[in-house]
Amino acid sequence: DADVTQTPRNRITKTGKRIMLECSQTKGHDRMYWYRQDPGLGLRLIYYSFDVKDINKGEISDGYSVSRQAQAKFSLSLESAIPNQTALYFCATQASGANVLTFGAGSRLTVL
Amino acid sequence: GENVEQHPSTLSVQEGDSAVIKCTYSDSASNYFPWYKQELGKRPQLIIDIRSNVGEKKDQRIAVTLNKTAKHFSLHITETQPEDSAVYFCAATPPPGTYKYIFGTGTRLKVLA
Repeated sequence: DADVTQTPRNRITKTGKRIMLECSQTKGHDRMYWYRQDPGLGLRLIYYSFDVKDINKGEISDGYSVSRQAQAKFSLSLESAIPNQTALYFCATQASGANVLTFGAGSRLTVL
Repeated sequence: GENVEQHPSTLSVQEGDSAVIKCTYSDSASNYFPWYKQELGKRPQLIIDIRSNVGEKKDQRIAVTLNKTAKHFSLHITETQPEDSAVYFCAATPPPGTYKYIFGTGTRLKVLA
């Protein structure tokens, strides 16, 4: 079945380290999103992309960067991780002209 | 920008009873309102949605109502079952061109057997 795959699923790192979370999809969707989930704060948008050459900031982009290497791949980077970036990160995809978001399984990041 | 408030943050009901979760939004131009269910340790999944030109939509035991004048929408679950236990998120999306879902903060529903 077509899916959205996130790697790694769990990662523990130290303050100051560079971290990359990867997302790949076989759904053929044009739009890809990175969300962050924290208890009591819901899902907050970090970055989104509608095409390979399109990158847009979301609500909470500070401290993060992204790369849309191909239509099917969208990576999130933390250049210098800090403890308050400890969270559950979700990648999501969306077909052009559609509303439904399809989420990946999530990447749990712990920054010590 | 759009802001979505969701209440309550936690809700416990007895199996078989109904559950209601409410959301309010601030941008009157928002025109699409989905509800996502996230079971423990799983990814959020769409369970029902409603567009601004419709007042109510039902799908078996779940329904969503929308009051555009008051800018609020609600999720109704009837005859709750243990498998309904999850975190539910509402969202609002501004008109085409922005594509940014604004999610509520979530409601943890517990259905007690």
